Amino acid sequence: SQQGEEDPQALSIQEGENATMNCSYKTSINNLQWYRQNSGRGLVHLILIRSNEREKHSGRLRVTLDTSKKSSSLLITASRAADTASYFCATAAPYNTDKLIFGTGTRLQVFP
Amino acid sequence: EAGVTQSPTHLIKTRGQQATLRCSPISGHTSVYWYQQALGLGLQFLLWYDEGEERNRGNFPPRFSGRQFPNYSSELNVNALELEDSALYLCASSLRSSGRAQYFGPGTRLTVL
Repeated sequence: SQQGEEDPQALSIQEGENATMNCSYKTSINNLQWYRQNSGRGLVHLILIRSNEREKHSGRLRVTLDTSKKSSSLLITASRAADTASYFCATAAPYNTDKLIFGTGTRLQVFP
Repeated sequence: EAGVTQSPTHLIKTRGQQATLRCSPISGHTSVYWYQQALGLGLQFLLWYDEGEERNRGNFPPRFSGRQFPNYSSELNVNALELEDSALYLCASSLRSSGRAQYFGPGTRLTVL
């Protein structure tokens, strides 16, 4: 079963613009992770944020976590055509941290 | 450092046959995970192996099974294949510690005819 719902399902932007994707989940978590998937290939781990963290940065990526609202957002700044991919959030429960529950994904298209 | 590798890349089988998928984790990683990504169903957790033992399994029938070898590589076996088993099967590995990031391989695309 899917834990997370991602919003929007699809997003199209121009190069240089920022892209924001949101993830909502249902139960308490140990951590939340964001992954990227290019065209039905393997997933690339982007960033992990723990339940006691509120914000994390990695290069052009910024992730926020609001445990009171059970939601997270991924911001990609100054997007590039190479950022075109599907983005998934995945949650790990406090007592079952090795079983990731994935969201439905956001399909991002960045036009040159 | 080599990433997670999976073989074969593609696998075509017919209904009722058995499929064997293989995964080699990142060097130093002892945990291996299997996920199924079927069209319309998203990414579903299948199995977790660590130190040669099955530690957790998702909501899949017993005909999905696997094992982990002493070198931490893993096999996923799917018996009595059904059409709906057609999917991308992804393997991931991580260090054995709670709340770690998982690193994924490129996947094996299984097609059941």
